[in-house]
Amino acid sequence: KNEVEQSPQNLTAQEGEFITINCSYSVGISALHWLQQHPGGGIVSLFMLSSGKKKHGRLIATINIQEKHSSLHITASHPRDSAVYICAVLPMEYGNKLVFGAGTILRVKS
Amino acid sequence: EPEVTQTPSHQVTQMGQEVILRCVPISNHLYFYWYRQILGQKVEFLVSFYNNEISEKSEIFDDQFSVERPDGSNFTLKIRSTKLEDSAMYFCASSPSLGEVNEQFFGPGTRLTVL
Repeated sequence: KNEVEQSPQNLTAQEGEFITINCSYSVGISALHWLQQHPGGGIVSLFMLSSGKKKHGRLIATINIQEKHSSLHITASHPRDSAVYICAVLPMEYGNKLVFGAGTILRVKS
Repeated sequence: EPEVTQTPSHQVTQMGQEVILRCVPISNHLYFYWYRQILGQKVEFLVSFYNNEISEKSEIFDDQFSVERPDGSNFTLKIRSTKLEDSAMYFCASSPSLGEVNEQFFGPGTRLTVL
């Protein structure tokens, strides 16, 4: 059973496009992380949110707890945004362990 | 800005050998985690650690694995007798405390290759 589903799995965009990556989850959560993983493998935390919306530069993350859905938006995309974007949730029943989605592979072409 | 560090960045070992992966969490953090990612697969939780003991572990974390905080700064993951299927990226993370508002910060990972 996949507790965290991301879509799309792969996304290719032209530089400057507005990008949306979606995450749906099936369990009650206390928080949701959006993470970025570059080809070298390292993971960087972009956002942690439990309600509403957060913005950092060209990145915006929203969450709807009732619908169990979150989105990550990238405005004015750039080739350096090319990476794997991972949604990870903190289920209420599991203590402090994160449950990860499979990731969305984003490629932004110039 | 404080960050989680991991060493080595890449470890190659022979099957059956013991390996120790090292992590230095952010200095005022209290909760520590190990995750792994087999190539092409999702990141998976291995273990969480607080107050010098394991607070939670997954089914993956069997008797071949152990964790330790040998001093005030290092947090280690030991695999006693490595198997081919242990080849993966291993990520350490730390958070300042427990609860819904506490973000986990990840290290850059150690790529373990078992031959």
